[in-house]
Amino acid sequence: DQQVKQNSPSLSVQEGRISILNCDYTNSMFDYFLWYKKYPAEGPTFLISISSIKDKNEDGRFTVFLNKSAKHLSLHIVPSQPGDSAVYFCAARSAVVGYALNFGKGTSLLVTP
Amino acid sequence: EAQVTQNPRYLITVTGKKLTVTCSQNMNHEYMSWYRQDPGLGLRQIYYSMNVEVTDKGDVPEGYKVSRKEKRNFPLILESPSPNQTSLYFCASSLHTPRQSTNEKLFFGSGTQLSVL
Repeated sequence: DQQVKQNSPSLSVQEGRISILNCDYTNSMFDYFLWYKKYPAEGPTFLISISSIKDKNEDGRFTVFLNKSAKHLSLHIVPSQPGDSAVYFCAARSAVVGYALNFGKGTSLLVTP
Repeated sequence: EAQVTQNPRYLITVTGKKLTVTCSQNMNHEYMSWYRQDPGLGLRQIYYSMNVEVTDKGDVPEGYKVSRKEKRNFPLILESPSPNQTSLYFCASSLHTPRQSTNEKLFFGSGTQLSVL
């Protein structure tokens, strides 16, 4: 049963515009959320994270928003660049249950010039 | 350089022929894990280890074995590979388990593409 859901398998955005990647989760015990970025032929690399005590975290062009009541988070990339083209995985963990990061299926982002 | 190293990067084998994918980390991490990535299914955890000699099943452990005899190494063993184990495999490590601390991040290896014919 997928506890972390990324319902958009792919997204195409023009260079310079905003990319918004969405993620929903079902487990109310999740308290820490991460985004990973994956290029072809490479392993995923950590991008940005957010604790459940916050509703926003920024790091340069990347901002993650968390809406706990809706069990929804989103990653905003502004402005988008061609080098951002990659697969983005949303992940979540619980501080009290389980020993794994639970990953979504990923969203493939294509930023076109 | 801090890294997680997997070998081999690519492997083609036949059904039933035992194989081992090695994983090593040089960051003195306690927690190590194996994931497989399949189209439309994302990253699914196979096994994890919280420390030396402590391993446990993840979401999709069937057909796999692991061992953790040393802190740095966490090999994935397929005793009798089958075609449904054709996948992209990732080893990952972190200082502690994802549960133990905030800001815990997993570091991933570059992946092993396995094809079982």
